[in-house]
Amino acid sequence: VQLQESGPGLVKPSETLSLTCSVSGGSISSYYWSWIRQPPGKELEWVGYIFDSGSTKYNPSLKSRVTISEETSKNQFSLKLNSVTGADTAVYYCARLRGPYHYYVDVWGRGTPVTVSS
Amino acid sequence: QSVLTQPPSASGTPGQRVTISCSGSSSNIGRNSVSWYQQLPGTAPKLLIYTNIYRPSGVPDRFSGSRSGTSASLAISGLQSEDEAEFYCAAWDDSLNGFVFGTGTKVTVL
Repeated sequence: VQLQESGPGLVKPSETLSLTCSVSGGSISSYYWSWIRQPPGKELEWVGYIFDSGSTKYNPSLKSRVTISEETSKNQFSLKLNSVTGADTAVYYCARLRGPYHYYVDVWGRGTPVTVSS
Repeated sequence: QSVLTQPPSASGTPGQRVTISCSGSSSNIGRNSVSWYQQLPGTAPKLLIYTNIYRPSGVPDRFSGSRSGTSASLAISGLQSEDEAEFYCAAWDDSLNGFVFGTGTKVTVL
């Protein structure tokens, strides 16, 4: 399985960050598809996941601004983060999170840098 | 701010054994399994250890993981120059109801 992120690399403050992850080499069904981000020079931060085409779970610190959705027919899932600020500047990774009894990320995309700036 | 704490740095000479700790609590490491990731500069993280002790295919057996109580450790034996990277632990946290990463440890090969 391979993952590839796509989307704008520059977003203005207060606007919505939108990214898409294309999944190749396997089905998007029956896994926890996640977004993980890493601000410059900082640690990794889990953003959230979508499972089974509709069930979602988000990082509590981002929950009010995040939406993760899935388009099964295209083997893609997407991230929307609204009302962005400079603190949302980061490399965004899409990833496959294994679960639910033992959670771990076994497949990562290459990551896409997103800068929030006017 | 991460709920899993790691030392900021660790180092060793080639061939030495280096151990990295990951300290958590009863809501994460105390009741859920731990995974470890290696991030080389400018690249995406790579899974090293899952479910506390298991290595994915292709990961050298120089890397080993353990968990005890609310802490976990990653050991690198026979340290090599290509092991120089940032290492992260991670686990599910039942209180936060989310997946959490550690603060990261930079390993330097002297």
